[in-house]
Amino acid sequence: AQSVSQHNHHVILSEAASLELGCNYSYGGTVNLFWYVQYPGQHLQLLLKYFSGDPLVKGIKGFEAEFIKSKFSFNLRKPSVQWSDTAEYFCAVNSRFSSNTGKLIFGQGTTLQVKP
Amino acid sequence: DGGITQSPKYLFRKEGQNVTLSCEQNLNHDAMYWYRQDPGQGLRLIYYSQIVNDFQKGDIAEGYSVSREKKESFPLTVTSAQKNPTAFYLCASRTERAGPYNEQFFGPGTRLTVL
Repeated sequence: AQSVSQHNHHVILSEAASLELGCNYSYGGTVNLFWYVQYPGQHLQLLLKYFSGDPLVKGIKGFEAEFIKSKFSFNLRKPSVQWSDTAEYFCAVNSRFSSNTGKLIFGQGTTLQVKP
Repeated sequence: DGGITQSPKYLFRKEGQNVTLSCEQNLNHDAMYWYRQDPGQGLRLIYYSQIVNDFQKGDIAEGYSVSREKKESFPLTVTSAQKNPTAFYLCASRTERAGPYNEQFFGPGTRLTVL
């Protein structure tokens, strides 16, 4: 069965520190990859997505992620975090085979706390 | 404003009672989804529907039921058979136009507490 693993469950950073959140998935076929963010009291919203092409994708609010196929990874990065980045971050995957249903497999989530 | 609405925001029920959570979207999306979010477990798919009058079980469908009588609406019933119903429930929708690679859009969620 497909699964998604986020290694960091709770990350605490100071403002201006660099961020990298890990995401690995287990599926041998072609995948579509997503990062979602849930700010306190707000809807889950899309940060960025990868389907094909350049494996380095840029999203909103200065976030980017790199797809490394050989490592089954899609890590999220930001060079300098702000207090407003405090949120929960979810990595999600669907396989091209099931993509016509849009079903997503989510990771466990990472809570990011940025100290001012 | 286009979007997904879920009501109520908070819901309290006694053990053994069925409860229905509302999800409405005005995005003209074809597909709708219900997820359950628990701390440390991410989101898990309960049910999904790609078209009116049709729906499929997700990974944790036991103790839940849904209907899709209208494109805009996808209510979820949490039945008394659900052993651990206290959770945060999220509804999502997705268009299936312009290819299969479109992301899901999420509602604000309903926090259900069973006493």
